[in-house]
Amino acid sequence: QAVVTQEPSLTVSPGGTVTLTCGSSTGAVTSGHYPYWFQQKPGQAPRTLIYDISNKHSWTPARFSGSLLGGKAALTLSGAQSEDEAEYYCHLVYSGVVVFGGGTKLTVL
Amino acid sequence: EVQLAESGGGLVQPGGSLRLSCLASGFTFSTYWMSWVRQAPGKGPEWVANIKEDGSEIHYVDSVKGRFTISRDNAKNSLYLHMNSLRAEDTAVYYCLGSGSSSAWGQGTLVTVSP
Repeated sequence: QAVVTQEPSLTVSPGGTVTLTCGSSTGAVTSGHYPYWFQQKPGQAPRTLIYDISNKHSWTPARFSGSLLGGKAALTLSGAQSEDEAEYYCHLVYSGVVVFGGGTKLTVL
Repeated sequence: EVQLAESGGGLVQPGGSLRLSCLASGFTFSTYWMSWVRQAPGKGPEWVANIKEDGSEIHYVDSVKGRFTISRDNAKNSLYLHMNSLRAEDTAVYYCLGSGSSSAWGQGTLVTVSP
C-alpha cells in the first residue's frame, strides 16, 4: 500500500505564509490522485478545505489555496491567523483506494 | 447546505457486529462517491471504504476486508457500513464523507469494541 507523507509539524508567524506538502511513496502526485486537504482542531470533526487539488468549499477561507508543487500536493496558507492553528491532513486516491497522510501540526506563533 | 448525519455506533464486544448509517442531505447523493473514514482516539483519520455512485465499484482498506461491507440506498440518501467480527482496534469515531463538492463531514458516531 502506498504511503502518504506530510511534515509532522510546521510553525508560521501571524500574518505569514506557510506551505504544507503531501507526497506519495509511489512517485509524483498528479491530478489523478485527487488530493484533498482537511483541517482538524482539537475536539472537533475534521472539515474539508480543498478537494481535487485546488477546489475550495464555501467555508474555506480565501487565505488557503491548493496546488501541485514539485511533485507533491501543496496547501498554502497566506496571512496566517491564530485560528489556523490546527492539524492538517491530506489524502490521495490510488485507483479507488484512499490513503491519508499522517498529518501536519501547524502552530501559529 | 451539505449535511451528513451518522448513527448506529455503540459499545460492542469483540467478535460482535454493528451497522452504521449515514443520512445525507443538501446535495444529489446519487451522483457522488461516498466513503467511511474512522479516527481512533488520539490518531489521524483512516479511510475505511468507499462506494461508487451506483454501487458498482467498492474498495476497502486491507484491515477490514472480509469483515466490513459498505452499501448505499440512493432512494433513501443513505450510506451504510455493516461491521462484523469487530476487534478492539476497530474502536474509533466513524464518519461518512462525500466526495468533491459534497465532501463535508458529519459529527461521527463512536464505536467502542470492548469486553
